[in-house]
Amino acid sequence: SQELEQSPQSLIVQEGKNLTINCTSSKTLYGLYWYKQKYGEGLIFLMMLQKGGEEKSHEKITAKLDEKKQQSSLHITASQPSHAGIYLCGAGYNDYKLSFGAGTTVTVRA
Amino acid sequence: DTGVSQNPRHKITKRGQNVTFRCDPISEHNRLYWYRQTLGQGPEFLTYFQNEAQLEKSRLLSDRFSAERPKGSFSTLEIQRTEQGDSAMYLCASSLAGSEKLFFGSGTQLSVL
Repeated sequence: SQELEQSPQSLIVQEGKNLTINCTSSKTLYGLYWYKQKYGEGLIFLMMLQKGGEEKSHEKITAKLDEKKQQSSLHITASQPSHAGIYLCGAGYNDYKLSFGAGTTVTVRA
Repeated sequence: DTGVSQNPRHKITKRGQNVTFRCDPISEHNRLYWYRQTLGQGPEFLTYFQNEAQLEKSRLLSDRFSAERPKGSFSTLEIQRTEQGDSAMYLCASSLAGSEKLFFGSGTQLSVL
């Protein structure tokens, strides 16, 4: 989607280290969705954020939506090999579908 | 398993052939979506249905592509006269009306030789 930019495109992290992925929208988000994808597989839902300033956590993954609702970050604490994969942000613009960023490929080195 | 099911998982075809993919959504979901994903990119929206009505089609969906959802349950995506540029992962997703939270299937990987 041209409206959504993810950064970085890819990253390599040592096991046990933290990492952060950013997702920036060119317009106001009605909802921001984080998904994880293994290569050649479908997308697995992680978290949904709808309110400005909202923050959600699940296990070692935390996602935030900024107050202006145009940027979100996904933070993984103490990364593990199971965190490896492609992380995608999906934006809801109140038009009944999601537009996706290009994804961030995460590699966790033992 | 009550998730979204897609068949086949992989399809290899020769250029010019027609192919058809099937998607079975989560049973209580009345919205069904088709997306296409190429290597290194996020999924791109193709089309979506609410029940049996096709409500939106992307400009990406050329005349060679057609999707149906005849009884508001499963859906098929057909590509006629396939081209090498059609090679991609085709993803199906479903949701409840009023929700943008999509549940995805495992996808159909199409290779056009």
